[in-house]
Formats: sequence, C-alpha cells, structure tokens
Amino acid sequence: DGGITQSPKYLFRKEGQNVTLSCEQNLNHDAMYWYRQDPGQGLRLIYYSQIVNDFQKGDIAEGYSVSREKKESFPLTVTSAQKNPTAFYLCASWGGTGVGTEQFFGPGTRLTVL
Amino acid sequence: GQQVMQIPQYQHVQEGEDFTTYCNSSTTLSNIQWYKQRPGGHPVFLIQLVKSGEVKKQKRLTFQFGEAKKNSSLHITATQTTDVGTYFCAGRAGAGNKLTFGGGTRVLVKP
Repeated sequence: DGGITQSPKYLFRKEGQNVTLSCEQNLNHDAMYWYRQDPGQGLRLIYYSQIVNDFQKGDIAEGYSVSREKKESFPLTVTSAQKNPTAFYLCASWGGTGVGTEQFFGPGTRLTVL
Repeated sequence: GQQVMQIPQYQHVQEGEDFTTYCNSSTTLSNIQWYKQRPGGHPVFLIQLVKSGEVKKQKRLTFQFGEAKKNSSLHITATQTTDVGTYFCAGRAGAGNKLTFGGGTRVLVKP
C-alpha cells in the first residue's frame, strides 16, 4: 500500500526542547515538502526537497531544520528557536510533472509545546 | 512573494443549496490545484486546471480557471453533508516545484 507515513500522530514537548518529526514515503517520489497549519489557517511551506541531499527554505523556515539523506525520508526538526511551535505539521511528496500532478499528504503530526 | 487569497474564509450552507468559493493569485499561474481537507484529516487532491479559461466538472463540483490565469473558482451545487470540510486552492508559478496555498474556505452544512 503506497503512501506517506508520519509519526507520531500527537506529540507533546516541553518548551526549549528540540523535537524531530518523521516523514516516510514509499511512492518513489523525488520531491518532498513540510507544511505548517495553524487552526483555521492555510498551509505554509517550511522546507522542501527536490532531490536527495538537497533542500530549500520555504516561506517560514526560521526555527526549523531538515535533512534528506534518503529518497524515502524527510525528517523535520523543530528547534527551540521556533517561537511558536504548536501547530499541525503536514508532510507531502510529489512525483514530478512526468509522473503525476498532485501532492500526496501524510496524516500529519499535531505538535503541542507546553 | 507570491500570494494566494481565498474568499470567503467561512461558508455556512443550507443542505441542498449552491455556493461558490473564489481564489485569487497575486501573480500569473502555470496551473492551479484544488484540495479538500475533512475535519481532523489531511488535504486530498481534487483537480488541476492548466489552461486559460478551463472548466472542469466532478459530479456536483465545477472548477474554473480564469482567462488571465490569476484566479479560480469552485462551485458546488446541491450541497450535501459530505461536502463539509475546508477547500484549498494552490497555485504553481512557472515550472517550479512549489505550491502556494490559499487560506482555505471552511464549509459547514446545515441539514
């Protein structure tokens, strides 16, 4: 069953701690994305990667870091520098124009920083 | 940078009625996509529009791309409770791999 998995579904952390969110895809897609969604808001792009070992900042990259060591995996670290980290985090992937049109989303991780 | 705006932010609809949500981009788009997010869920792709003036239909949903490729609309006829959710438009500029999402229209259906 192809798709994107994100774990955990709910995550609680104390203020000042770094936390890493997992995103894995078995769709063989080159491009992967991290979005942040706040209650009642749209999706804002944090980071994206078009190929292994390469990634670019999105619109709200400050306080976040990523790595892309494997095609299937694109973990996101929310650092203590992120001033308001509580949000719903969505990972997505895209196969490229030669493969398909849409981005596929994972189920999301709801992060709460106490 | 590119901005995509959606109106209205909220839409309360009586079951059986029609409604339209609108999407406007600050820049010309190469294509626009629409996604639906059910409460507590993740966005799911609905459709992509590419050509100027393009109109596509999916059962009770009609999607339109403006002539200038800067705006789009989604019209739903005979709204049902299954239409509840947030509808997002997302625009792609040029040949890039980035999508810019609008703020979404949250649809609530009154039975």
